[in-house]
Amino acid sequence: ETGVTQTPRHLVMGMTNKKSLKCEQHLGHNAMYWYKQSAKKPLELMFVYSLEERVENNSVPSRFSPECPNSSHLFLHLHTLQPEDSALYLCASSQDLLALDYEQYFGPGTRLTVT
Amino acid sequence: AQSVTQLDSQVPVFEEAPVELRCNYSSSVSVYLFWYVQYPNQGLQLLLKYLSGSTLVKGINGFEAEFNKSQTSFHLRKPSVHISDTAEYFCAVKTGGFKTIFGAGTRLFVKA
Repeated sequence: ETGVTQTPRHLVMGMTNKKSLKCEQHLGHNAMYWYKQSAKKPLELMFVYSLEERVENNSVPSRFSPECPNSSHLFLHLHTLQPEDSALYLCASSQDLLALDYEQYFGPGTRLTVT
Repeated sequence: AQSVTQLDSQVPVFEEAPVELRCNYSSSVSVYLFWYVQYPNQGLQLLLKYLSGSTLVKGINGFEAEFNKSQTSFHLRKPSVHISDTAEYFCAVKTGGFKTIFGAGTRLFVKA
């Protein structure tokens, strides 16, 4: 595998379910991100990790819980979601958190539908 | 606060025609500017970036963008588009810290 991978690619869950999204980066990067992409809205930054430490929790509801066990893996644990949480969830990584000239590398996303 | 405005939500264009996707930003400090492309069912990938130096930046797939500081713009252009260029394009800006501010996206639809 190369780049940034995400599993599952599609997820349908009920409002009372618990599920997890997984992201893995094979680039040796130090920073990882979770974004939410909804139709006709800009990307919303949810969480940022640098060297496995969370540096940003962007007013995200507690029903979303991130976990970064090492610099290559990032999880998003989901529980008691709402229908408005249906969206594409994108994981990204970058070489360094603060260097301005480094771009982000994105995974293909998980399309989440909450029923 | 920094912001990015993509002036067109959708741009339909015929194959082999030129295209320009517009992006304006607001910032009181120096900026680093990016264009990303998102093909259907995929994540975003970098097309090009402006960090400093020449204001005309060339990227992948024949795209280029011009940084205009006085007009705070970073428009993306391609002289002749292909069907395969159909995608969503995002302009983004970084000014400091770790946040990248993305625009709402422009959907380019190339017609045969």
